[in-house]
Amino acid sequence: DAGVIQSPRHEVTEMGQEVTLRCKPISGHDYLFWYRQTMMRGLELLIYFNNNVPIDDSGMPEDRFSAKMPNASFSTLKIQPSEPRDSAVYFCASSFLRLNTGELFFGEGSRLTVL
Amino acid sequence: GENVEQHPSTLSVQEGDSAVIKCTYSDSASNYFPWYKQELGKRPQLIIDIRSNVGEKKDQRIAVTLNKTAKHFSLHITETQPEDSAVYFCATNTGGFKTIFGAGTRLFVKA
Repeated sequence: DAGVIQSPRHEVTEMGQEVTLRCKPISGHDYLFWYRQTMMRGLELLIYFNNNVPIDDSGMPEDRFSAKMPNASFSTLKIQPSEPRDSAVYFCASSFLRLNTGELFFGEGSRLTVL
Repeated sequence: GENVEQHPSTLSVQEGDSAVIKCTYSDSASNYFPWYKQELGKRPQLIIDIRSNVGEKKDQRIAVTLNKTAKHFSLHITETQPEDSAVYFCATNTGGFKTIFGAGTRLFVKA
């Protein structure tokens, strides 16, 4: 398996623009997570899905952030409108309940810069 | 909600010395305690984990200990090498897969 695949790897945009980050989890994994990493706040859990259903979105910072998982092989995290404070590395991770370990498999991340 | 505190934030050791990173957690329902290593510009990757029914686990030069009563768990790296230099994150979850991370420890191993 190719692992968790995220796109784009780098995104530079201007304040006010819409940003869409994409994630393809490992095939067969039934949990998908979106994390945001910054120097100040570390790794923050934004939202996670189980079998395509959002389970906990309490970490989503504002209404400007939304996430969807239309099927088992694809998820998006959207920021509209974007602001400079949204600049961060956004990681997607997936996991498989039957592993019974809770191990998260991370993608390589999407580095977002909002000017 | 769950809170995980990690110390120290930065640790510098001489090659060959040991390194210890400590974490405390608040949710007594936490039952899984993984440690992730993140090299510069890379993704976090699991290096070792422990479940609440085990007090200690070892894998070559790394070991993790858990004190459920005190809600403490620690990562021990022996005979450190320059390639151990990275950011290490402790984490917890309650079995529902919601994983909360500590703030991270930046480890420098000086050759």
